[in-house]
Amino acid sequence: RKEVEQDPGPFNVPEGATVAFNCTYSNSASQSFFWYRQDCRKEPKLLMSVYSSGNEDGRFTAQLNRASQYISLLIRDSKLSDSATYLCVVNLSNTGNQFYFGTGTSLTVIP
Amino acid sequence: GAGVSQSPSNKVTEKGKDVELRCDPISGHTALYWYRQSLGQGLEFLIYFQGNSAPDKSGLPSDRFSAERTGGSVSTLTIQRTQQEDSAVYLCASSLLAGVTEQFFGPGTRLTVL
Repeated sequence: RKEVEQDPGPFNVPEGATVAFNCTYSNSASQSFFWYRQDCRKEPKLLMSVYSSGNEDGRFTAQLNRASQYISLLIRDSKLSDSATYLCVVNLSNTGNQFYFGTGTSLTVIP
Repeated sequence: GAGVSQSPSNKVTEKGKDVELRCDPISGHTALYWYRQSLGQGLEFLIYFQGNSAPDKSGLPSDRFSAERTGGSVSTLTIQRTQQEDSAVYLCASSLLAGVTEQFFGPGTRLTVL
């Protein structure tokens, strides 16, 4: 079983739409959680960390549900520039600071 | 430089040859990570360094892969006797502190084994 699982999509949404991605993780001892964004043929870049209380950064909201072992990312008022692959990342600190990346969810925002 | 740099950006090699990939992390970052990403796949963890030591080598796919880090800075990933299945983008990342702080990625080295 993979440590981190994501729906690969693709998600094709019109501009202005709200879209949500979920990600599940298998190890209940996971310590820290992140969403990264990766543009085509580019390196991943941190979008936001995910905190237990949930956190928001502009149009982006991240939530963590430890009981169900999933994290989510909500994007409101989608822009064309949001088109990218979104990677869910989990750190299992009990395995030596090893980060596990999901395979990513592809988003295309359509004009 | 301001970010993580990697060289070469592209490497084409013949099966059976050895290759060395280099990573220059952000100055002052103590943790350094190597990943590889095959086409359409997620990132696969290879190895991480805390300073010059590698507490976790569990991700190295075989004994043909090795990595070292010197001076708490530059790291090299060496692949001996390359195979076609080694073809991938090799990404290096560094972070200020291992574990909980953001990882900054380099642009990667695209390795093609013919």
